[in-house]
Amino acid sequence: DADVTQTPRNRITKTGKRIMLECSQTKGHDRMYWYRQDPGLGLRLIYYSFDVKDINKGEISDGYSVSRQAQAKFSLSLESAIPNQTALYFCATSDHGTSGSRSYNEQFFGPGTRLTVL
Amino acid sequence: GQQLNQSPQSMFIQEGEDVSMNCTSSSIFNTWLWYKQDPGEGPVLLIALYKAGELTSNGRLTAQFGITRKDSFLNISASIPSDVGIYFCAGQLVGAQKLVFGQGTRLTINP
Repeated sequence: DADVTQTPRNRITKTGKRIMLECSQTKGHDRMYWYRQDPGLGLRLIYYSFDVKDINKGEISDGYSVSRQAQAKFSLSLESAIPNQTALYFCATSDHGTSGSRSYNEQFFGPGTRLTVL
Repeated sequence: GQQLNQSPQSMFIQEGEDVSMNCTSSSIFNTWLWYKQDPGEGPVLLIALYKAGELTSNGRLTAQFGITRKDSFLNISASIPSDVGIYFCAGQLVGAQKLVFGQGTRLTINP
């Protein structure tokens, strides 16, 4: 079974619609992230959460919101979708790390959601 | 935002050739990671580097943490068709808790 799962894998929606992308993980990691991927632009951070009560904006948070429902679940919402939000969306997780360890830098990605906004 | 310059953007090589790509920045990093993304999939971690000068291998892949802490290199020896994909570098700036990603290098292999 996949450690990080995303639903749906593909979604086509219309301008102005509200949609939610969901991410679940079985890795037991505290930290979760949402990224957007556009051709030639790499991965850009939308929001991140270091534990259930922690939510932080990334570099491109406008037009998006998130909810950390549990340690294992982190959802991304587009309140009113617009065409330039058409992209690949990835969820990732990382460990909180231990003293002297830098493993918290190692992020593990889900398979992605391809979103098209018409 | 902070930029990582990854080059080349794309490579077209013959099967069996060696591949080199790199990421550079004007800032200092304390972690470098290299990922590979296959079509329709999420990035998969290949190699993690945590120390300036560190050289780490994973099969035919070798990555190095630059001595200045501002760059990193990934080499693939004797390329095979399954090496096709997009390779991303990612770095963690000193004092930061998030990763910054390069734009990716798309590798295409002619059989």
